[in-house]
Amino acid sequence: DTGVSQNPRHKITKRGQNVTFRCDPISEHNRLYWYRQTLGQGPEFLTYFQNEAQLEKSRLLSDRFSAERPKGSFSTLEIQRTEQGDSAMYLCASSLSSVRVRAFFGQGTRLTVV
Amino acid sequence: ELKVEQNPLFLSMQEGKNYTIYCNYSTTSDRLYWYRQDPGKSLESLFVLLSNGAVKQEGRLMASLDTKARLSTLHITAAVHDLSATYFCAVDMSGRDDKIIFGKGTRLHILP
Repeated sequence: DTGVSQNPRHKITKRGQNVTFRCDPISEHNRLYWYRQTLGQGPEFLTYFQNEAQLEKSRLLSDRFSAERPKGSFSTLEIQRTEQGDSAMYLCASSLSSVRVRAFFGQGTRLTVV
Repeated sequence: ELKVEQNPLFLSMQEGKNYTIYCNYSTTSDRLYWYRQDPGKSLESLFVLLSNGAVKQEGRLMASLDTKARLSTLHITAAVHDLSATYFCAVDMSGRDDKIIFGKGTRLHILP
């Protein structure tokens, strides 16, 4: 499978616990994006990387959120001290920094904080 | 800050009818995308529009871009039930501010 892969697909956690999600982009893609989507809404931008550099973080990304892409390949998104408001689908996308290439999305990780 | 607005947000239509979804955005952009999302699924890329006047068609869907008006349209011709989904437009300011910003989506329900 050469698409964007996200793990786990589903995560249920208790409030206050830490969670970490992983995204494996399409192998030649140098850009990697994280989005959050809640029910009935469009994806909201969280952060993105060009290679290993994190170039922008949304104001939505509080201090409890951290993302890394240590070798410019896979990325992790960690949420510390989860809150019920963190419950959402977390989507990862990747693309080439080229005008003619679209971003491809993974299947997402659905987080439920109870 | 870039804003992307879609309308309508909900659309219920009969099979066989034509309709258009509109996407307005607030600032100059290099690229505009249309995505489809089925319930509980991720986003499927439909079209990439790269220049003023660009038109792309696939099956019963046709997308166009007017960069001067900052407007894109997604036209549905002779709708069929299988097209029921949520459609998102997204704008990419690559080169200045590389994030891709999505609209809220248009939930399309096609009645048999």
